[in-house]
Amino acid sequence: GAVVSQHPSWVICKSGTSVKIECRSLDFQATTMFWYRQFPKQSLMLMATSNEGSKATYEQGVEKDKFLINHASLTLSTLTVTSAHPEDSSFYICSAQDRGRNLIYEQYFGPGTRLTVT
Amino acid sequence: GESVGLHLPTLSVQEGDNSIINCAYSNSASDYFIWYKQESGKGPQFIIDIRSNMDKRQGQRVTVLLNKTVKHLSLQIAATQPGDSAVYFCAVVGSQGNLIFGKGTKLSVKP
Repeated sequence: GAVVSQHPSWVICKSGTSVKIECRSLDFQATTMFWYRQFPKQSLMLMATSNEGSKATYEQGVEKDKFLINHASLTLSTLTVTSAHPEDSSFYICSAQDRGRNLIYEQYFGPGTRLTVT
Repeated sequence: GESVGLHLPTLSVQEGDNSIINCAYSNSASDYFIWYKQESGKGPQFIIDIRSNMDKRQGQRVTVLLNKTVKHLSLQIAATQPGDSAVYFCAVVGSQGNLIFGKGTKLSVKP
């Protein structure tokens, strides 16, 4: 149980285009989902916290107009990288908190999406 | 601010030996600690956790030790296998309830 999927697993796009990444909880409902960014050989950095039916909360330094997050249902959150630039190339990982559990740190991680902007 | 650091970015061990990966944290009020394993190109995988009211917790081939006095956390892997090769992160629950990750230690297992 507690499986989180991401789609696509990797994507290459041209500068200036937008890319949407999906995060799904497959066998549980997720009130809260989290989006992380990871550069090569570095740690995970939290970008934003996404709550179903409300606006996402972004971490300091993360541009909300550039990284659009939508959490329209209890099993799906999307991250859209708008007007992508090469510096947006990174590994994006989502995690989800089981609605049935009340502990924010009990998160289940997706497999990640590798974004390359050319 | 709150931070989590690791002592060694890389660790190389012989297959069958024990591995010890260390982590230090800054917030003495931290209550919950987690170790994750991340294989190349994949998301983090939960290994083991420990609460601040414990000093030691054991799982299958893994043991986590917590020293609150010096704010130090370690992960011990017994009889390390090639499949254990990965990057290991410790994470601490921050004051906001979020996860704060350490920088990671890359474990390489030599056959």
